[in-house]
Amino acid sequence: DTAVSQTPKYLVTQMGNDKSIKCEQNLGHDTMYWYKQDSKKFLKIMFSYNNKELIINETVPNRFSPKSPDKAHLNLHINSLELGDSAVYFCASSQDTYGYTFGSGTRLTVV
Amino acid sequence: AQSVTQLGSHVSVSEGALVLLRCNYSSSVPPYLFWYVQYPNQGLQLLLKYTTGATLVKGINGFEAEFKKSETSFHLTKPSAHMSDAAEYFCAVSKSPNNAGNMLTFGGGTRLMVKP
Repeated sequence: DTAVSQTPKYLVTQMGNDKSIKCEQNLGHDTMYWYKQDSKKFLKIMFSYNNKELIINETVPNRFSPKSPDKAHLNLHINSLELGDSAVYFCASSQDTYGYTFGSGTRLTVV
Repeated sequence: AQSVTQLGSHVSVSEGALVLLRCNYSSSVPPYLFWYVQYPNQGLQLLLKYTTGATLVKGINGFEAEFKKSETSFHLTKPSAHMSDAAEYFCAVSKSPNNAGNMLTFGGGTRLMVKP
């Protein structure tokens, strides 16, 4: 049973489109995150939610809007996609820093 | 602010040789340190972590790391490399886990290549 699951695994879309990536965790963790991994493998946090409340927003363009309907879900909606948004997006959850668990990633390609 | 530097974006070793991946950190508070491994087209898997206590930490797959506060380092080692160890390795630092929404700051990653 997958602990942190993301869908879709691959997403290819045209510039200007709007797309969403879904994330669900069944670990009972209170905190969820979105990280972005660029083409050079550099990983950087985008958002963090704790119990549906936004905790961290790391200077991400407002075209990116996270939504947390409940503490088990953290979705990422991206408006007006740009070429530079192409990356792998990782969802993660933790109860505290000891228990970080990552999803398998969503590879977004904007053409 | 916290930061992590991984020396060497690529490391190549022969099968059976010692693996040493370097990580130095900068933190204004006592750090919590982590090593993650990423296999091609997969997510990140935790190898080991240092929080408090013993500074030599043992992880999965025969890896270990030692926290050296005086050197602000947390290097990852494995006595004998195996072909299956070929992957991307990330060092990460975090503050105390007491704050909700605590984030990880990652180094730039080191690609380990293992030659037969």
